[in-house]
Amino acid sequence: NAGVTQTPKFRILKIGQSMTLQCTQDMNHNYMYWYRQDPGMGLKLIYYSVGAGITDKGEVPNGYNVSRSTTEDFPLRLELAAPSQTSVYFCASGTPEPQPQHFGDGTRLSIL
Amino acid sequence: ELKVEQNPLFLSMQEGKNYTIYCNYSTTSDRLYWYRQDPGKSLESLFVLLSNGAVKQEGRLMASLDTKARLSTLHITAAVHDLSATYFCAVDLNDMRFGAGTRLTVKP
Repeated sequence: NAGVTQTPKFRILKIGQSMTLQCTQDMNHNYMYWYRQDPGMGLKLIYYSVGAGITDKGEVPNGYNVSRSTTEDFPLRLELAAPSQTSVYFCASGTPEPQPQHFGDGTRLSIL
Repeated sequence: ELKVEQNPLFLSMQEGKNYTIYCNYSTTSDRLYWYRQDPGKSLESLFVLLSNGAVKQEGRLMASLDTKARLSTLHITAAVHDLSATYFCAVDLNDMRFGAGTRLTVKP
């Protein structure tokens, strides 16, 4: 089982560039999440979605956009990359039931 | 706003010793999760605690939840090197809030 797949695994961007981090899951989970993890820190929720066509802001949404056109995919868009967005980004999926989320392997993003 | 605080943030232990990691949270919730993260890796689920007084054990790790005190503990018994990792608690209140993590190092 693939679970949650994130691409790319690593990326270096220049300030002001834009990019999309891809996330797809094959578990038919309704809930999907984007987190960022800064060095030595916990995870902070950027955006989440409870189903196709529904998205909501998390704790740190500024500078990011998301869309959810299908159950499987939840891409995260950075429009104008800034050094403060250098981080590791994790995508996760889950269900409404109280079960742990399933995490992807992460995307390590550096903005120079 | 929900705040989740873990302590200690760094923990260095000798093999064979016992220790407890604490997770305090600021808003009532009965859904608490513990995860493990190895360096450069993703998060792995350890425990799901869903009610006051819940206790779960897996090997040398035991987690408990006191919803009245808004406190969860992760107890390590007779630590071994393989337990070296960062441990996160997370509280589910519509969205998931994570603690800052406890970086555990177990030394021979």
